[in-house]
Order: sequence, then C-alpha cells, then structure tokens
Amino acid sequence: GAVVSQHPSRVICKSGTSVKIECRSLDFQATTMFWYRQFPKQSLMLMATSNEGSKATYEQGVEKDKFLINHASLTLSTLTVTSAHPEDSSFYICSAPPSAGDGFGYTFGSGTRLTVV
Amino acid sequence: AQSVTQLGSHVSVSEGALVLLRCNYSSSVPPYLFWYVQYPNQGLQLLLKYTTGATLVKGINGFEAEFKKSETSFHLTKPSAHMSDAAEYFCAVSLSGNTPLVFGKGTRLSVIA
Repeated sequence: GAVVSQHPSRVICKSGTSVKIECRSLDFQATTMFWYRQFPKQSLMLMATSNEGSKATYEQGVEKDKFLINHASLTLSTLTVTSAHPEDSSFYICSAPPSAGDGFGYTFGSGTRLTVV
Repeated sequence: AQSVTQLGSHVSVSEGALVLLRCNYSSSVPPYLFWYVQYPNQGLQLLLKYTTGATLVKGINGFEAEFKKSETSFHLTKPSAHMSDAAEYFCAVSLSGNTPLVFGKGTRLSVIA
C-alpha cells in the first residue's frame, strides 16, 4: 500500500533555531499533504494543507511565517519550524489523502517529536 | 463543517471483555468515517473505514464499527479485549477523499489483566 516516510522521528533543538521536517511519498505521487500537530494527550489538529506547485493553505491561528510549508515535488512536502520556541514542542504528523484507486485510505507519516529547549 | 465527538476520554476494560468506544459525528453531507489507533510516539494506523455500502464495517485486529445514520454514530467494538489493544483511539470524519480528516479528541483504552 501507499507509504509516507517522515523524517526525522525525533529532534531536539535550541530555542531560536529552525527545524525542517520532511514527508516523502514513497510509491505514489502526493499532490496534496496535510500537516497536523498533536500536543500531549490531545487530538490531532490540522495546521495546513500543502499543494504541489502552489502556496500552502493555513488554518486559522497558525502563523504562516513561523511554519513554512513547501511542496517541492509530487513526492516531497516539508514543514520548517522557524525560530522555534519551547511552546512549539509537539508531535507533528503529515498525511496524504487517498490516491486514485486507494479506496479512501489516508496515509500518515510516522510523526516527528519536536522538543525545543 | 463536520465535527466528531468521542464520549469518554478514558475507557478501562478487563482482558477478554467487550470493548466499546463511542463516536458521534456531525456532517452536512454523507460522511466518510474512520477509526485510527495510535501507540505512544507513533503515527496513526487505520483500523477501519466507512465510505459507502454496508454499514457494518470490519477492520483489523478483530475490531468492527457500525454506521448508524439515524443516530449519527460510528461506535467501535471488539468482542474480547487483548492487552495489546491498550492505546489511543481516534474517530475521524471527512467530506470526501480530498479533504483533511477532522479528528475527535481521542479515547485512551486501558486493558486490565
């Protein structure tokens, strides 16, 4: 089945630095990627939707300049957390919508645990 | 806009007992409904999904769910709980295959030996 590879799985960074998270669709082309954030013991909240070849769409309350999303190709979407602060510490997960013939199976990356110290 | 309500943030059952995790949805159009399981520090694994057709959906690991339009519910059940079922479970809804999933707040399932 469809696989989305997400890296890194864990990252610790210093406050003020930037971190890039990558999601690659390994055996299919993902023209769209959804990015979610999950705080401890909470649900997944949609942050933004990236589309190959166009600007990302951000949910209300998500800072565009802080969370830079790029969909460079049909197999790669990236989320860069710029000038990270401790409150950005969270679990970030990407998800590709169902590809043609996949029977409505959303594919999730394995997640990235970001800790800002 | 669609939404999902999961009743009970924490459910505890004995090993071998029935598992029932409740999910109600709100949607302006016929929804697509999903149940996912998440183990600590891992991504989400699809248990089962309802799109169209048969309202009783069977998934992996012995789980099943029934779509009840009149009750706007999609409860998850398993006849006999196993220790390995202890995890966080999320119910989710989407309007189509191209829109993002909207998740409930999740239910943590504990299984007692």
